[in-house]
Amino acid sequence: EVQLVESGGGLVQPGRSLKLSCLASGFTFSNYGMNWIRQAPGKGLEWVASISSSSSYIYYADTVKGRFTISRDNAKNTLYLQMTSLRSEDTALYYCARSVITIAAISDYWGQGVMVTVSS
Amino acid sequence: DVQMTQSPSYLAASPGESVSISCKASKSINTYLAWYQEKPGKTNKLLIYSGSTLQSGTPSRFSGSGSGTDFTLTIRSLEPEDFAVYYCQQHNEYPLTFGSGTKLEIK
Repeated sequence: EVQLVESGGGLVQPGRSLKLSCLASGFTFSNYGMNWIRQAPGKGLEWVASISSSSSYIYYADTVKGRFTISRDNAKNTLYLQMTSLRSEDTALYYCARSVITIAAISDYWGQGVMVTVSS
Repeated sequence: DVQMTQSPSYLAASPGESVSISCKASKSINTYLAWYQEKPGKTNKLLIYSGSTLQSGTPSRFSGSGSGTDFTLTIRSLEPEDFAVYYCQQHNEYPLTFGSGTKLEIK
């Protein structure tokens, strides 16, 4: 069974940093691209970043480019999102999602999400 | 960036009825559109991709159509478990963009 479990969220002050993790199981992690997608309270889904299976291709939303870094450790079956210079508008539920193996830009499995709150 | 305009934002229907949700792209995305279902307490579910291809496990009462800029998700003969929030997402180019969602409620 495919499972994606996010961790590392919490309350953080504006301007500070936070690192999210997503532990994957139930599939060969190194074969799949991965995505971070977020949802602000009461709002819709917003794509954040994507990384290919071997980390050769990485994409970011303009809203996080230069502040967030997506990475992965295939030996540990773990996806990361390093977030720096956090802003109140980054407050959201952050989902880790697996890319469809043949179409990297869509997500066939999602985690439950981890909440990040940016507030003083 | 491709803007996705989804409508309606809210829809009320009864079990057994059929409903349609529209998603319009600000420029052509060929057929590269996906639909997702969001339900409380469950992980988001991919229903349809590439406009009309049903993801494995998606019931046949769901169908997707469209190309270019105009797309439609149709659910025929609504079941109680279909009442949820639905999002479209274009997968033609980065940055990936989602519609604003449609909440389907029981009438």
